Amino acid sequence: DSGVTQTPKHLITATGQRVTLRCSPRSGDLSVYWYQQSLDQGLQFLIQYYNGEERAKGNILERFSAQQFPDLHSELNLSSLELGDSALYFCASSPTGTDSPLHFGNGTRLTVT
Amino acid sequence: DQQVKQNSPSLSVQEGRISILNCDYTNSMFDYFLWYKKYPAEGPTFLISISSIKDKNEDGRFTVFLNKSAKHLSLHIVPSQPGDSAVYFCAASAHGSEKLVFGKGTKLTVNP
Repeated sequence: DSGVTQTPKHLITATGQRVTLRCSPRSGDLSVYWYQQSLDQGLQFLIQYYNGEERAKGNILERFSAQQFPDLHSELNLSSLELGDSALYFCASSPTGTDSPLHFGNGTRLTVT
Repeated sequence: DQQVKQNSPSLSVQEGRISILNCDYTNSMFDYFLWYKKYPAEGPTFLISISSIKDKNEDGRFTVFLNKSAKHLSLHIVPSQPGDSAVYFCAASAHGSEKLVFGKGTKLTVNP
């Protein structure tokens, strides 16, 4: 158990809809990352927050947004969903964010129909 | 542009033998490298890391080797066990960077 909790585990929704994925980091970790894993792809970095502030941005679509709340949990919002957004979305956390291993949750599998 | 490449999608070895997983990178700014293991329906689990000031790091049955001039790293598992069967991801980051860049993974199967 990594200590990172992601909910829900599975999500099935229709094109054009909006969903919210939730992540609770390990106790004491200030940094939260979101990654997307599509079929046969590696993990693609989306965005990182550190102690409530956006720290780094990767290949995140404008239809996607995230935030980290004062209690350090994070949410990833995906809107105007398309079939191609179907993927595994992983959240990870680390104490500081640099030169330390990330600890991953078990992911949310999003299926857009 | 794939900065971290794992050119072997799969690898099959016999129990007790050595497993060698390879990874190449193109970004010369990378100075911290990690290996993650992933079982189905679970998130990636950190396995071992190495910084660019070293060329080898060992943890039990797992050893990571780094060849900076070749921009190549490898993970050795000795002896391999059936429980090691999983997808292994290589990842890298540059000093001060917040993000890890992952390869596409290599699926290791250890046959009893």
